[in-house]
Amino acid sequence: NAGVTQTPKFQVLKTGQSMTLQCAQDMNHEYMSWYRQDPGMGLRLIHYSVGAGITDQGEVPNGYNVSRSTTEDFPLRLLSAAPSQTSVYFCASRRPGGNEQFFGPGTRLTVL
Amino acid sequence: AQKITQTQPGMFVQEKEAVTLDCTYDTSDPSYGLFWYKQPSSGEMIFLIYQGSYDQQNATEGRYSLNFQKARKSANLVISASQLGDSAMYFCAMREIDTGNQFYFGTGTSLTVIP
Repeated sequence: NAGVTQTPKFQVLKTGQSMTLQCAQDMNHEYMSWYRQDPGMGLRLIHYSVGAGITDQGEVPNGYNVSRSTTEDFPLRLLSAAPSQTSVYFCASRRPGGNEQFFGPGTRLTVL
Repeated sequence: AQKITQTQPGMFVQEKEAVTLDCTYDTSDPSYGLFWYKQPSSGEMIFLIYQGSYDQQNATEGRYSLNFQKARKSANLVISASQLGDSAMYFCAMREIDTGNQFYFGTGTSLTVIP
């Protein structure tokens, strides 16, 4: 049972490049979320999903796209990276009605 | 308005002493959950404790307890008998159960345990 996994751990992009941050969980959790963590800001919700085929925007969705084709996977896409997207990105999952949210180890993204 | 407010950017505590980390929240949803997470320097987010808005008793998990004062909208984390390994960032969070599935996090408190 690997829990929540994220790839890559580190990534450096140039402004305008695109990339996908991968997130997978093997706990059969319906709910999955993406957060970004910036210094002094805590974690802010980007997008979330309550099940395969269902996604919704969080607090800071601009510049990011998501899709949820399977229960296990919830990728986050940056279509045209900007320096303002330099951050640490966390994926999390939980079961419906569950209190504990399980986090992945994070991806540190730098956009030059 | 901020949903979660943590007013202590940094705290110091002597080893083996108790420490209280402050958290206040803002919601009009009668049904909500309050959470505390620990983030050590390695970066992972570790769930510590949960308190439901309808729970009559304060939550406890080992050396962690949550001092829940509903009328004051506060959910302070108390760590008893501090250990060097408790040095980390601590985040308070809330989920409004009736109005959505979003979690709101505070800006965190950096705790340093002094030997």
